[in-house]
Amino acid sequence: AQRVTQPEKLLSVFKGAPVELKCNYSYSGSPELFWYVQYSRQRLQLLLRHISRESIKGFTADLNKGETSFHLKKPFAQEEDSAMYYCALSGHGGGKLIFGQGTELSVKP
Amino acid sequence: DVKVTQSSRYLVKRTGEKVFLECVQDMDHENMFWYRQDPGLGLRLIYFSYDVKMKEKGDIPEGYSVSREKKERFSLILESASTNQTSMYLCASSLLQGGTEAFFGQGTRLTVV
Repeated sequence: AQRVTQPEKLLSVFKGAPVELKCNYSYSGSPELFWYVQYSRQRLQLLLRHISRESIKGFTADLNKGETSFHLKKPFAQEEDSAMYYCALSGHGGGKLIFGQGTELSVKP
Repeated sequence: DVKVTQSSRYLVKRTGEKVFLECVQDMDHENMFWYRQDPGLGLRLIYFSYDVKMKEKGDIPEGYSVSREKKERFSLILESASTNQTSMYLCASSLLQGGTEAFFGQGTRLTVV
């Protein structure tokens, strides 16, 4: 069965500190992994996807198939990074898009 | 500018009412999704459609049905609303192939009293 697990409901860090938001998944096949972000009073939007292998707003995420993880990292958190972050998964051929429970990131000044 | 538009931002309905939530996208996307968003539970997939008149159940389809008569429109129906269906409902669309970005509507906050 497809499943995405984000073990932390809330992550609170100070500005300039490193951030790692954890995501583990369960999927039989080749998954496509994503991170979506929802800033206050805004729509949910794509932050990054593993196939792009790019850094967006200083965030990166590496797909580790052995550990079935796709953790989101940023070396120096900024206050504007405060938001709700969701890890998501779909199959390589498309289909259902399944989300995790979400992690609220709070960056304090 | 890509758009997914949900017909209502806020709705208040009575227990037992039949409720329709409408979603329209203008990107010619094949996939459309309905989720409910609850604190601590994240986004849970209710139904998914990959083509006109095609649908698949998500993780929590009980108490809901959907309709997709046209490619651009995907409707969520609560046959008999109950208080435990009070939630934020999000619609999304994407291209058919995997790995593509999903675009979300602004959400409908439904309160069932």
